Amino acid sequence: DGGITQSPKYLFRKEGQNVTLSCEQNLNHDAMYWYRQDPGQGLRLIYYSQIVNDFQKGDIAEGYSVSREKKESFPLTVTSAQKNPTAFYLCASRLLNGMNTEAFFGQGTRLTVV
Amino acid sequence: ILNVEQSPQSLHVQEGDSTNFTCSFPSSNFYALHWYRWETAKSPEALFVMTLNGDEKKKGRISATLNTKEGYSYLYIKGSQPEDSATYLCAWYSGGGADGLTFGKGTHLIIQP
Repeated sequence: DGGITQSPKYLFRKEGQNVTLSCEQNLNHDAMYWYRQDPGQGLRLIYYSQIVNDFQKGDIAEGYSVSREKKESFPLTVTSAQKNPTAFYLCASRLLNGMNTEAFFGQGTRLTVV
Repeated sequence: ILNVEQSPQSLHVQEGDSTNFTCSFPSSNFYALHWYRWETAKSPEALFVMTLNGDEKKKGRISATLNTKEGYSYLYIKGSQPEDSATYLCAWYSGGGADGLTFGKGTHLIIQP
């Protein structure tokens, strides 16, 4: 089945450690996105990529890094520079053939700093 | 950051009643407005993608309208059922090189039997 897969579902990190969240899609979508959700907040865009080897900062990119070496994969690294990393992270992908294509989402990764 | 506002934040509705809620977005640089349904422990799923002023879309008991000139969209649910319980997100797409969708905080809908 085609879809978008995030792993792991739950992740615990010690303060000062970097951690990488995985996002893979087999939908042949051009664009991939990382969003963060905090309690009482909407989804906020961290990074997005429209094409392999290219990505752009979203609204809250500080303390995060990404790569897009393959079309299918868009991993997110939460670095020690991210001051408040505990949150729910959602990955999404979208076909870029026009303005009216919907986003498909993974099931999310809940990151907790301990 | 341009805001997308949704109201109400949460809503309790009796099973069988109809309901509606609102998404407000910037009326400038409008490309598309998305509605998603996000059920607990699942991924958000698209309900509608709307692009034209005056557009109305329908999927079963759920429908949506769009006013791009004044910057709002309504989502309607007719004859609410327990399976309609979810968070409903709207997202504004402005295009213009900023490819990400800007999401509202969502309306959390609870259908009471």
